Amino acid sequence: RKEVEQDPGPFNVPEGATVAFNCTYSNSASQSFFWYRQDCRKEPKLLMSVYSSGNEDGRFTAQLNRASQYISLLIRDSKLSDSATYLCVVSTGTASKLTFGTGTRLQVTL
Amino acid sequence: DADVTQTPRNRITKTGKRIMLECSQTKGHDRMYWYRQDPGLGLRLIYYSFDVKDINKGEISDGYSVSRQAQAKFSLSLESAIPNQTALYFCATSDRDGTSSYEQYFGPGTRLTVT
Repeated sequence: RKEVEQDPGPFNVPEGATVAFNCTYSNSASQSFFWYRQDCRKEPKLLMSVYSSGNEDGRFTAQLNRASQYISLLIRDSKLSDSATYLCVVSTGTASKLTFGTGTRLQVTL
Repeated sequence: DADVTQTPRNRITKTGKRIMLECSQTKGHDRMYWYRQDPGLGLRLIYYSFDVKDINKGEISDGYSVSRQAQAKFSLSLESAIPNQTALYFCATSDRDGTSSYEQYFGPGTRLTVT
């Protein structure tokens, strides 16, 4: 079983739609959780950290369920510029060592 | 100027050749990493270094070696390239302390093709 699993998609949604991505992780000792964004043929960049209480950054909301080992990302009012691959990322043990999911591809259309 | 740079950006080489990928950063970070990315497999850690005197193997270090020449420079070598090392290679850096240590800053990547 992969340490971090994501639905690869693609998710094709119209502009303005709400879309949710899910991610599960296998190591219950995992301590920190993140969503990174990767545009086609570009480097990954941190989108947001994920906290146990849930957190929001503009149109983006991240949730963590430690009991189910499940992380989610909700994007409201999708924009064309949101088209990218979203990587679920988990840190277990040693600080700064990150495990990346394979990513979920989002395509927002007119 | 970019904070994390990688050279070359693209490289085609033949099986058996030695090749070096270089990474430089101006962020002043102590920690540096090398990853490879393959379709369907995501990013996998090859080697990482928490300071100039510290080198650690990652998930897939076989066939690779690294050198941390200075705080700002971390190079990855393929001693004898093979076709299944064809991939997109990323260098990344992170800060040492606090919650910011988890955010990694990536270079633009090197696309390596081994024929």
